[in-house]
Amino acid sequence: DTEVTQTPKHLVMGMTNKKSLKCEQHMGHRAMYWYKQKAKKPPELMFVYSYEKLSINESVPSRFSPECPNSSLLNLHLHALQPEDSALYLCASSKITGGAETQYFGPGTRLLVL
Amino acid sequence: QKEVEQNSGPLSVPEGAIASLNCTYSDRGSQSFFWYRQYSGKSPELIMSIYSNGDKEDGRFTAQLNKASQYVSLLIRDSQPSDSATYLCAVGGSQGNLIFGKGTKLSVKP
Repeated sequence: DTEVTQTPKHLVMGMTNKKSLKCEQHMGHRAMYWYKQKAKKPPELMFVYSYEKLSINESVPSRFSPECPNSSLLNLHLHALQPEDSALYLCASSKITGGAETQYFGPGTRLLVL
Repeated sequence: QKEVEQNSGPLSVPEGAIASLNCTYSDRGSQSFFWYRQYSGKSPELIMSIYSNGDKEDGRFTAQLNKASQYVSLLIRDSQPSDSATYLCAVGGSQGNLIFGKGTKLSVKP
């Protein structure tokens, strides 16, 4: 079982709104990730949580705020976003396979900022 | 700056043919390599991982790794129209992250 779930599937928000994206996995994976993907581009890493601690922050603007309440949940809080932040936001979790971290992606949240 | 290079395509093959997708990477110390398939509007789906030099087969898919040449490839045998997608090559980073290539768009014509 390699299921990562994300809610909501779609989100439309104004530039003054505050919203949150949620990600959940019950596979006991030790690491969870947030990626941003624009059309026709590969996923761009935003944040990595390892054992519930933030281990990588790829210089993401502060209007994106990650939170890891426990080992199964990962949130991304959004505030004062810009239209250029419209993208597919992907959550992933990983387990060690063959000595390497293998990542599995959730279905994503498609975000539109108006 | 670690880089992963792929031909963006599109790569067009007839149904039933072998599709060959290629990827090169810059970090000689890389140890883990992945191929993800992404249908339009969907999230990436892991189809193959490979860690050792040589070939790894899974059904119609074969991944090939040559660490000396810093080259990894994916062969799809008996290509089907349902294989039409963007294929992302990814290399494992030192902190468990993935470094993606830009992806190759594959089109399988009936």
